[in-house]
Amino acid sequence: QKEVEQNSGPLSVPEGAIASLNCTYSDRGSQSFFWYRQYSGKSPELIMSIYSNGDKEDGRFTAQLNKASQYVSLLIRDSQPSDSATYLCAVMVRLPGTYKYIFGTGTRLKVLA
Amino acid sequence: DGGITQSPKYLFRKEGQNVTLSCEQNLNHDAMYWYRQDPGQGLRLIYYSQIVNDFQKGDIAEGYSVSREKKESFPLTVTSAQKNPTAFYLCASSTLTEDTQYFGPGTRLTVL
Repeated sequence: QKEVEQNSGPLSVPEGAIASLNCTYSDRGSQSFFWYRQYSGKSPELIMSIYSNGDKEDGRFTAQLNKASQYVSLLIRDSQPSDSATYLCAVMVRLPGTYKYIFGTGTRLKVLA
Repeated sequence: DGGITQSPKYLFRKEGQNVTLSCEQNLNHDAMYWYRQDPGQGLRLIYYSQIVNDFQKGDIAEGYSVSREKKESFPLTVTSAQKNPTAFYLCASSTLTEDTQYFGPGTRLTVL
């Protein structure tokens, strides 16, 4: 079982719709959760971080975390063609004296104009 | 402007050559990381450093080496022992108290 699992997609949504991206993780000790957006050929850029159960909203983006189900999601409202990218889910696990980030393989989102 | 810079943007390596990828940050971050990204795969950790003159191996350190002589700099050398080095290399940094990682623009390495 992969430590952080995402559907590779592509997930296609029409412009203006809500895009829902999902991520599951295996380590119950995971403490911090991140969503990054990566355009083709570019480096990942941070969209959202979330640390506690529930929803966190930032503009058109909402991150949702459910630690009991080991599930984190990202909702993008009013999707725009410029949102077309690969979205990486990342999990931070604290280890003795250090911490470790584990990345999913990403979900490719296509927003159709 | 604060940020992370990587150079070069594109790098071509011949068989048997060592090459060094540069990573510099002016964010005053203590921790720095090197990742490798291959098509269809997630980011895989090569090396990381949380303090000057100290670094630890990540999941795929074989064939790579690093140094951390200055807080701002964390160069990665891809040695001839790395049999499949063609990939997108990403450098990241973070503070030790805030756990968010920020990425540089990346270096795309191609072996000829």
